[in-house]
Amino acid sequence: EDQVTQSPEALRLQEGESSSLNCSYTVSGLRGLFWYRQDPGKGPEFLFTLYSAGEEKEKERLKATLTKKESFLHITAPKPEDSATYLCAVRGNTNAGKSTFGDGTTLTVKP
Amino acid sequence: NAGVTQTPKFQVLKTGQSMTLQCAQDMNHEYMSWYRQDPGMGLRLIHYSVGAGITDQGEVPNGYNVSRSTTEDFPLRLLSAAPSQTSVYFCASSPAGGASEKLFFGSGTQLSVL
Repeated sequence: EDQVTQSPEALRLQEGESSSLNCSYTVSGLRGLFWYRQDPGKGPEFLFTLYSAGEEKEKERLKATLTKKESFLHITAPKPEDSATYLCAVRGNTNAGKSTFGDGTTLTVKP
Repeated sequence: NAGVTQTPKFQVLKTGQSMTLQCAQDMNHEYMSWYRQDPGMGLRLIHYSVGAGITDQGEVPNGYNVSRSTTEDFPLRLLSAAPSQTSVYFCASSPAGGASEKLFFGSGTQLSVL
């Protein structure tokens, strides 16, 4: 059974204070690891897909990396508008039709 | 494009009542799914469909029914609502059902069962 564990549950940063969110996973044959952003009262919004260990993707202040056991979402010099819940999900070979999600990390960036 | 549209946005039910949550997408996506999200938790898959006429169970299917008569629509039916079904429900779709495809989400339906 695919499993995803995200840490920390909550993270408070000052504006400009860089940090990382962790996503540890177990999956039978990784088809894709996904990062989503969710604002309060809204549905998740896609950020990145990573397919194989060593891959990296960047978008503005966010950079996602992938190893065989975990993924990191690095946030460089965050701004208050980066405050949101960040969700990690995996899709594997044995459950190709299903995405398994972690519980998320709620990020708060104070000005 | 409207993307994925869910209705209603809010709903209050009494225990034992039935209702249907509507989901429609205008992107011609083959894959559609329903998730529920409880406070402080991630998304748990209820049911999914890889195309019209094909549905399958997810992680938490009990108490819910689905059907997929068209590519565009994927309604979720609560047969006899229970307080444990109080949650936020999200519909999501992706192209062709491929395992590497990202999900597009609706804005959610907040359901309270009294």
